Amino acid sequence: IVLTQSPATLSLSLGERATLFCKTSQSVGFYLAWYQQKPGQAPRLLIYDTSIRATGIPARFSGSGSETDFTLTISSLEPDDFAVYYCQARSDWRTFGQGTKLEIK
Amino acid sequence: ELLLESGGGLVQPGGSLRLSCVVSEIYVSGNSMTWVRQAPGKGLEWVAIFHRGGTAEYAESVRGRFVISRDSSNNTIYLQMNSLTPEDTAVYFCARELWPNWLDPWGQGTLVSVSS
Repeated sequence: IVLTQSPATLSLSLGERATLFCKTSQSVGFYLAWYQQKPGQAPRLLIYDTSIRATGIPARFSGSGSETDFTLTISSLEPDDFAVYYCQARSDWRTFGQGTKLEIK
Repeated sequence: ELLLESGGGLVQPGGSLRLSCVVSEIYVSGNSMTWVRQAPGKGLEWVAIFHRGGTAEYAESVRGRFVISRDSSNNTIYLQMNSLTPEDTAVYFCARELWPNWLDPWGQGTLVSVSS
């Protein structure tokens, strides 16, 4: 399975809404996860099974989609949200997308 | 820290290293544990998994060179890396795998540099 994330870079201001996309090369049903990685830190699980927030993840993060097209939405950007986001689909090879860098405009 | 990696460092091409991941508050024998790596400035690449049931799987890029193992008495996961090449240079993270493939939590990572 190949995961393609878009855009590669997203430049937004504090308080704006962020929409990140992940497209899979074949259907994964609803088995898709999102991770956040800040510089110098390990990734952190944000969303799994398309739309379930992991423990401690704020409600401004939401996920949607199915089959091959998925979206991560951050409703109102806070300073802590600027990071790289990766999607991952259920697969034998545990493939990740190439990442979307969310930067401050 | 729930997962604490160690063992990284500078090694020459063709050399070996053994990474360790000491785990707290999670029993490695009751969970599937993985290694994921990230080359400098690059994305995430899954490396290996030690399943709860005792079997292991490897990415094609490391199969035959890397061995993942588990020490339940010390609650530790290992990654023995042999025949290292510069392409193995990366930060190596250990993580628990939750069904079906979700990784949580992660360790802070250990840097492996392969260079002459």
